[in-house]
Amino acid sequence: GAGVSQTPSNKVTEKGKYVELRCDPISGHTALYWYRQSLGQGPEFLIYFQGTGAADDSGLPNDRFFAVRPEGSVSTLKIQRTERGDSAVYLCASSKQGNYNSPLHFGNGTRLTVT
Amino acid sequence: DQQVKQNSPSLSVQEGRISILNCDYTNSMFDYFLWYKKYPAEGPTFLISISSIKDKNEDGRFTVFLNKSAKHLSLHIVPSQPGDSAVYFCAASRGSNFGNEKLTFGTGTRLTIIP
Repeated sequence: GAGVSQTPSNKVTEKGKYVELRCDPISGHTALYWYRQSLGQGPEFLIYFQGTGAADDSGLPNDRFFAVRPEGSVSTLKIQRTERGDSAVYLCASSKQGNYNSPLHFGNGTRLTVT
Repeated sequence: DQQVKQNSPSLSVQEGRISILNCDYTNSMFDYFLWYKKYPAEGPTFLISISSIKDKNEDGRFTVFLNKSAKHLSLHIVPSQPGDSAVYFCAASRGSNFGNEKLTFGTGTRLTIIP
């Protein structure tokens, strides 16, 4: 499997519950990104990892959202006390770093529905 | 504040003709621009990019034009094919020594190619 893998593909949860969304980047890609796409909108940046560390988390909407990448490969996006407004497609992307010829490669996303 | 704008939500073009998708941006710090294509239930796929030091970049049937003074870019697809039917997102970033960092996306244009 050469692409970015995201699991689950769909997640339905009740308001107030905790969810984890997983992303397996392309092997060898050091940069990993999380985006969120709401209906009728373009993807919106959440957080960017360079290796294990979050290089830019300015897009996380509030402290209910947290992401980790402990070994510099797989990443998990964690959402606490989910709200109906969190319903969206959560996209993960990875890229090589170092030059402009390394575009983001996106996974197919996790569709989160909070009821 | 929508920093990247795609003012046409949809566009229909006859097969074989030229498709022109437009994008405007407001942030003068953006210096790298990309187009992504998205099919339903899939993540966005990188199509073509352009750095602000150029005004044109061509790749097969796809050409991106950048007008920095007008803060405008466009994607030309010629000839248009049925497989080009998808949602097209314009994206922009502020580059750095580490390459493309977080992207700011437009809201997308749904292109339909009529056979």
